[in-house]
Amino acid sequence: QQQVKQSPQSLIVQKGGISIINCAYENTAFDYFPWYQQFPGKGPALLIAIRPDVSEKKEGRFTISFNKSAKQFSLHIMDSQPGDSATYFCAANEYGNKLVFGAGTILRVKS
Amino acid sequence: DSGVTQTPKHLITATGQRVTLRCSPRSGDLSVYWYQQSLDQGLQFLIQYYNGEERAKGNILERFSAQQFPDLHSELNLSSLELGDSALYFCASSVAGSQETQYFGPGTRLLVL
Repeated sequence: QQQVKQSPQSLIVQKGGISIINCAYENTAFDYFPWYQQFPGKGPALLIAIRPDVSEKKEGRFTISFNKSAKQFSLHIMDSQPGDSATYFCAANEYGNKLVFGAGTILRVKS
Repeated sequence: DSGVTQTPKHLITATGQRVTLRCSPRSGDLSVYWYQQSLDQGLQFLIQYYNGEERAKGNILERFSAQQFPDLHSELNLSSLELGDSALYFCASSVAGSQETQYFGPGTRLLVL
């Protein structure tokens, strides 16, 4: 059962463009929503996170938009750079313990 | 560098064997989590320990077990290995166990032949 659905599976963006990755969830018990970035051969690294009482959070070029009523959240990467090429995972924290991950989005930024 | 260390980095073994993966959390972190990453299942939570005690269990097989020692390092034991156990195994740590950011280690790549 996929509790966090992530799309698209892969994404190609031109340098300087905006990358948008979407996630949706069903479990209303989720209370913390992080995004992780993973490069080949490395562990996931926390990028940015949001709690459900906030509708938007921005850190540098990365913004999370959160829609609690629709149970959806998304990651926007502004001014995308080739160095942003990686796999991105959305996740949701259940009961303060385990993270439930989306399937991942492979982002390629073309220079 | 997240501050979480895992050894070994790579492990090649045969079916039916037993292996132990080791994780040292970030300094000050009390909670350790184990995850499995495979192409078909994605990133799956296995188990969590908090200050030496099991806190939560996920999709962990009965052939797998874990523990957290008094110095807070953790070991994941995988036994009677099968080809399908080939995957990346990640350890993550957090200060506590509730709504805390989890920091991931570099992982152990296990190949079962």
